[in-house]
Amino acid sequence: GQQVMQIPQYQHVQEGEDFTTYCNSSTTLSNIQWYKQRPGGHPVFLIQLVKSGEVKKQKRLTFQFGEAKKNSSLHITATQTTDVGTYFCAPNSGYSTLTFGKGTMLLVSP
Amino acid sequence: DAGVTQSPTHLIKTRGQHVTLRCSPISGHKSVSWYQQVLGQGPQFIFQYYEKEERGRGNFPDRFSARQFPNYSSELNVNALLLGDSALYLCASSPRTSFNEQFFGPGTRLTVL
Repeated sequence: GQQVMQIPQYQHVQEGEDFTTYCNSSTTLSNIQWYKQRPGGHPVFLIQLVKSGEVKKQKRLTFQFGEAKKNSSLHITATQTTDVGTYFCAPNSGYSTLTFGKGTMLLVSP
Repeated sequence: DAGVTQSPTHLIKTRGQHVTLRCSPISGHKSVSWYQQVLGQGPQFIFQYYEKEERGRGNFPDRFSARQFPNYSSELNVNALLLGDSALYLCASSPRTSFNEQFFGPGTRLTVL
């Protein structure tokens, strides 16, 4: 079955520093989604990437989908305390299931 | 517009009991998926229902079952509860059967003693 690795598991940054989380799949993906979960909250959809090599931006967030459609990254420029939370990738191989990575917990100190 | 709603918010059960969790999707959404999230882990896919039919099943034992009603709301049932079933159970709805953007509810926190 599909295996998903998300790194790092945890990162603590100072406000204003950049942050990147990576998601790697053992299989070629149809698409990949990213979600953010605040402490005590539920996952909230951020974006879906579909095309090989796709890059999408949302304000300070940049999402990339690898050329081979097996990996993806989320980069946050100049983190803010509001960015605190756990970021999950959810790769979709086209099967009738959806796998979430274990997530990267981001802590931002003011 | 109301988001995805789930009930109850919290639940405490003992081993061997059964539990029913409920979910109401966003109006107009026909697909409902269920996830189990253990503390410190990502959500684990349990079921997806679309138009009252099961469209996907994760790697969970037969103690877990679900159904979707004509109004697209859904129930997740878990029989013979084990301590390891303690988790946050999340429901997510989406407009279509494919796994596009999913809208998650606040979840039901189940504790099995």
